[in-house]
Amino acid sequence: AQKITQTQPGMFVQEKEAVTLDCTYDTSDPSYGLFWYKQPSSGEMIFLIYQGSYDQQNATEGRYSLNFQKARKSANLVISASQLGDSAMYFCAMREGTSGYSTLTFGKGTMLLVSP
Amino acid sequence: DGGITQSPKYLFRKEGQNVTLSCEQNLNHDAMYWYRQDPGQGLRLIYYSQIVNDFQKGDIAEGYSVSREKKESFPLTVTSAQKNPTAFYLCASSRGTGVMNTEAFFGQGTRLTVV
Repeated sequence: AQKITQTQPGMFVQEKEAVTLDCTYDTSDPSYGLFWYKQPSSGEMIFLIYQGSYDQQNATEGRYSLNFQKARKSANLVISASQLGDSAMYFCAMREGTSGYSTLTFGKGTMLLVSP
Repeated sequence: DGGITQSPKYLFRKEGQNVTLSCEQNLNHDAMYWYRQDPGQGLRLIYYSQIVNDFQKGDIAEGYSVSREKKESFPLTVTSAQKNPTAFYLCASSRGTGVMNTEAFFGQGTRLTVV
């Protein structure tokens, strides 16, 4: 079973509008971290935002916020006031913690296109 | 500036040849990783290393080898045993491998084409 599922292969949004990118995860570990990365066409992966499983509040970083619904095992990324430069691939990823060593497991990504 | 450097950005090799991809970091991170990215597949873990002189296989290690002789360096060799080596390869590092906010920092990637 996939640990990270991103069901939207592509999304379109108009400039200045908000957009939500979906991410669901699967883990039985009580300790985990969820990450979102942006990958522009140049290829580098840019870290956007982090949410820990024990965090009481949803994470926010500037125009990015994470809608964390633990019972539903979802960690959706919300981008407010979209900009043309937001056009990129977006990946959700997870670390599971109690084993001591953990690596980042990625979803397949969502391509976001922002139109003028 | 601190960061991760991958070289070269583009690499072409003939089928049957081994090729080594370079990854250097000056972030003083203990953990380093190699991922492979194919279209529509997301990132898949090849190898990772917690500390110097130690590394573990990831999900798709067959046909690849690594070394970690220095903290700063984690080169990846794509051997002739790798059936389909053409892909985009990303190197990353992180402070550690615990859960708490240990985001990975990535290099610019190497696009390998085998002809």
